[in-house]
Amino acid sequence: DAKTTQPPSMDCAEGRAANLPCNHSTISGNEYVYWYRQIHSQGPQYIIHGLKNNETNEMASLIITEDRKSSTLILPHATLRDTAVYYCIVRVGGSSNTGKLIFGQGTTLQVKP
Amino acid sequence: GAVVSQHPSRVICKSGTSVKIECRSLDFQATTMFWYRQFPKQSLMLMATSNEGSKATYEQGVEKDKFLINHASLTLSTLTVTSAHPEDSSFYICSAPPPWGGLAGGGGKNIQYFGAGTRLSVL
Repeated sequence: DAKTTQPPSMDCAEGRAANLPCNHSTISGNEYVYWYRQIHSQGPQYIIHGLKNNETNEMASLIITEDRKSSTLILPHATLRDTAVYYCIVRVGGSSNTGKLIFGQGTTLQVKP
Repeated sequence: GAVVSQHPSRVICKSGTSVKIECRSLDFQATTMFWYRQFPKQSLMLMATSNEGSKATYEQGVEKDKFLINHASLTLSTLTVTSAHPEDSSFYICSAPPPWGGLAGGGGKNIQYFGAGTRLSVL
């Protein structure tokens, strides 16, 4: 699986957009980008995923560069409840994949009032 | 949305005893579930893949006789920490991919729902 690189920590003001970057320069053509987050002392929560097109759902937007070597997770209006560790994971998709998720160190996002 | 329930949320036990942790998918069937362990200030580490009706698959370095996994039904997987010792104290988390994950634009089993975790403290 492609290795991902994320900044260890970021701050964001409440109500502002939080932009979390992820570098995955060795991503291959059949690998998807997934984002999960883990609020303190809870299980992780799936946020969004994409292959090459930008994606948006009720939680966030995912912007993937044209060469797919990096992506950005955008929380449009961050709240204090969005304070969490955010994990960017690159994995092969499709129904035949094993489902193993390998978590890196992630980015700790601190939303400040 | 899909819910994965984990029980107990916290357990304190004496060294040498065994502890069972349950992971249930409440509104979907899961032929596969996953177990993770997380030490303080560290990321999640995948321990094993639980397969309904067959043996679990353990990650390298995880003792299968220490961490017994049983996936007896399509909605329940259990992790038993046998002869627990203080170094086994950790946060244990399970996950399961819902069947509709494969319909979500090719995301497949990588779209998963996680339990709330079990904090094990061995005295």
